[in-house]
Amino acid sequence: KAGVTQTPRYLIKTRGQQVTLSCSPISGHRSVSWYQQTPGQGLQFLFEYFSETQRNKGNFPGRFSGRQFSNSRSEMNVSTLELGDSALYLCASAMTEPNSPLHFGNGTRLTVT
Amino acid sequence: QKEVEQNSGPLSVPEGAIASLNCTYSDRGSQSFFWYRQYSGKSPELIMSIYSNGDKEDGRFTAQLNKASQYVSLLIRDSQPSDSATYLCAVNKYSARQLTFGSGTQLTVLP
Repeated sequence: KAGVTQTPRYLIKTRGQQVTLSCSPISGHRSVSWYQQTPGQGLQFLFEYFSETQRNKGNFPGRFSGRQFSNSRSEMNVSTLELGDSALYLCASAMTEPNSPLHFGNGTRLTVT
Repeated sequence: QKEVEQNSGPLSVPEGAIASLNCTYSDRGSQSFFWYRQYSGKSPELIMSIYSNGDKEDGRFTAQLNKASQYVSLLIRDSQPSDSATYLCAVNKYSARQLTFGSGTQLTVLP
């Protein structure tokens, strides 16, 4: 079974621009979560989608948004990029059962200059 | 107090030894506990999940959970150089997919 697929793997953007990251979950997984990983803050939860609905949101500004499509694929968008948004963005999918573990994709490395 | 705390590390053990990684959490409502391994430059990989008090073994890995003490640990027996990685403890409140991660413990297994 294919794992979680994230595209692109690397992105370089300029301050003020916006970016869209894509995630395809493991087949059959309907929950998709997004996390940001930085050396200083570690892994931090951004949001979770299930059946096209955002179920939980972390403590990030409104510049960070996401959505999920009917095929469970998800996108996250960051508008008005700041230098501090440089990070590894990780998508994870999980089965429907509430305590099912997350399975992470390879991530998108975003660099903001 | 951080919600999930891990040994700051780094932790070095000789090949063949037992590596012990510890994690404490602050929220007594936490229901699910996970250990992830992350190699440098890679994404986290699930190693173990544990939901009830006691031990859970999977190959060379044993997870231990003590909810009364709010403590979860991971033991790696017969450590191998390929086990050298950062180990992340993650905690999940019941019915929420919002994992809270510790800062990780960097483990080095010396040949």
